[in-house]
Amino acid sequence: EIVLTQSPGTLSLSPGERATLSCRASQSVGSTFLAWYQQKPGQAPRLLIYGTSSRAPGIPDRFSGSGSGTDFTLTITRLEPEDFAVYYCQRSGRSSWTFGQGTKVEIK
Amino acid sequence: QVELVESGGGVVQPGRSLRLSCRASDFNFKTYGMHWVRQAPGQGLEWVANIWYDGNTQNYADSVKGRFSVSRDNSKNTLDLQMDSLRVDDTAVYYCVRATGYHFDIWGRGTLVIVSS
Repeated sequence: EIVLTQSPGTLSLSPGERATLSCRASQSVGSTFLAWYQQKPGQAPRLLIYGTSSRAPGIPDRFSGSGSGTDFTLTITRLEPEDFAVYYCQRSGRSSWTFGQGTKVEIK
Repeated sequence: QVELVESGGGVVQPGRSLRLSCRASDFNFKTYGMHWVRQAPGQGLEWVANIWYDGNTQNYADSVKGRFSVSRDNSKNTLDLQMDSLRVDDTAVYYCVRATGYHFDIWGRGTLVIVSS
């Protein structure tokens, strides 16, 4: 089973700063199968990025995804107050689906 | 609007059963694969089970295999999760999720299951 490891566990930044979140897979993942989600307290997760780099409808262009093979990145170019949340990467397989453990982006 | 609404959560004793339901609205339910994802209190997301659009194939996480069963009724736009032999570590918010391609694009608000004696 492919394991996704996200780093850092917590990212402390100020509004306006750039956030770089990492997701590393234990085996190679096809770019089609990697997605990112945002979750705020008390809310369901929301799809941000799919297919490694495609933004979901309504997602601002300050969010971008990149990567290949075993290393994937979610970048938020300029943090807005509403971006402080937990972010999860996720990999889709043939018969199992896996999430990373999450990165919390908190206000410094 | 496109919506998923879960129901059926509650408090249940270890070893007992519970059945969750999810009602889908405003999309062609029968053409989408559907999943259950759960989140234990203060923890991350864990995929639980999925069922193909036609109901012919189901997959389960190892942690629930043999205890949970997912089903759907495309005539009623509903998705169910039968949970048997519940354990304390099954305590979580359970989300009903729509899959589009290889990602999860629509999530319900979740229903809380607490397994406790």
